[in-house]
Amino acid sequence: QQQVKQSPQSLIVQKGGISIINCAYENTAFDYFPWYQQFPGKGPALLIAIRPDVSEKKEGRFTISFNKSAKQFSLHIMDSQPGDSATYFCAASRAGANNLFFGTGTRLTVIP
Amino acid sequence: GAVVSQHPSWVICKSGTSVKIECRSLDFQATTMFWYRQFPKQSLMLMATSNEGSKATYEQGVEKDKFLINHASLTLSTLTVTSAHPEDSSFYICSARYRETGYNQPQHFGDGTRLSIL
Repeated sequence: QQQVKQSPQSLIVQKGGISIINCAYENTAFDYFPWYQQFPGKGPALLIAIRPDVSEKKEGRFTISFNKSAKQFSLHIMDSQPGDSATYFCAASRAGANNLFFGTGTRLTVIP
Repeated sequence: GAVVSQHPSWVICKSGTSVKIECRSLDFQATTMFWYRQFPKQSLMLMATSNEGSKATYEQGVEKDKFLINHASLTLSTLTVTSAHPEDSSFYICSARYRETGYNQPQHFGDGTRLSIL
């Protein structure tokens, strides 16, 4: 059973546009929601993370929006650049637990 | 900060060989390290959680005798794929988490090891 559902599977965005990736979860015990960026042949790198006590977190061009009641969170990449082309994974975990539950990934392509 | 080094990055070997992969946290102490497996264009699948000084906890369906994990120190965990076969070919990635107290410290990932069994 997929604990975290992610969409879309792939996304093509024009340079300068906004990339939006969505994730949804069922387990209300989750309280930590990171996003990872992975380039081909590399491990995932932590991009940004949020806890459910805030509805939005922004770091540079990357913003997480969090909707606790809907159990959804999303990543927005503003002014998308070709260098942002990568696979993005959302994830979730709960306090006291080791496991990170990953979404299925979104392959983002930013075209010049 | 929070650099995780994984070695080797790529290994090709014959069927029946045992392969050891190392995961090191270079600039922090990691109480817990994780081993994942990733198939092409798929998400990460947690194989096992490794705590320093204790036995690893394996996820359901992962053969502990096949994938031996040792976490001998706060900066090193190893994964040994014993008697590897072509179906074990995959991208193996480790991650490490800070020793500091507090819940949900971030996991920091190595760059993975591509294992190809001929």
